[in-house]
Amino acid sequence: EADIYQTPRYLVIGTGKKITLECSQTMGHDKMYWYQQDPGMELHLIHYSYGVNSTEKGDLSSESTVSRIRTEHFPLTLESARPSHTSQYLCASRLRGNTEAFFGQGTRLTVV
Amino acid sequence: AQTVTQSQPEMSVQEAETVTLSCTYDTSESDYYLFWYKQPPSRQMILVIRQEAYKQQNATENRFSVNFQKAAKSFSLKISDSQLGDAAMYFCACGGSNYKLTFGKGTLLTVNP
Repeated sequence: EADIYQTPRYLVIGTGKKITLECSQTMGHDKMYWYQQDPGMELHLIHYSYGVNSTEKGDLSSESTVSRIRTEHFPLTLESARPSHTSQYLCASRLRGNTEAFFGQGTRLTVV
Repeated sequence: AQTVTQSQPEMSVQEAETVTLSCTYDTSESDYYLFWYKQPPSRQMILVIRQEAYKQQNATENRFSVNFQKAAKSFSLKISDSQLGDAAMYFCACGGSNYKLTFGKGTLLTVNP
């Protein structure tokens, strides 16, 4: 069982609120990722990190921001939530090299 | 650029039968890995099987095996003796020595009793 955790699992929040989705892993993985999964289940990479103090935007433009102050922690923040941000957000991590990614259970965000 | 294409949005199989899910990919990496992931409804994404591109031998994990055709950039997943618990969304993915792990759009597999 992978040691990567996302909180909260479900979140319903009003428009304009600031939110932070948490992602933590205890495997010492350097690479971490945030994916947005649309209703059709397709995965879109929105942010990734090579390691501490390294963050990059992914393939899909997102209004969210991320930080990587500690190896194990990769939070995603939305400064002002909008209904268009309603989605499932998946966090993943990989060890250095060409290894598989381990996924968290996801956060299902609904903005009303 | 790196792309992964799954041309079958949905597939169905009878319990105990065999089904093959298709995947093609393209990558500029010379050293890369290929993966099949499974995402059951409302559950966590988990790895089914992985294949190192430098290995010619096809990977096998119990009832799951792949047909890796490097020249054709094809990486299909065969599920033998299908079980009800195999019902899920299956994603093909390609990852190289760079940061990227690119996923296909997924194939929804239904297993009929």
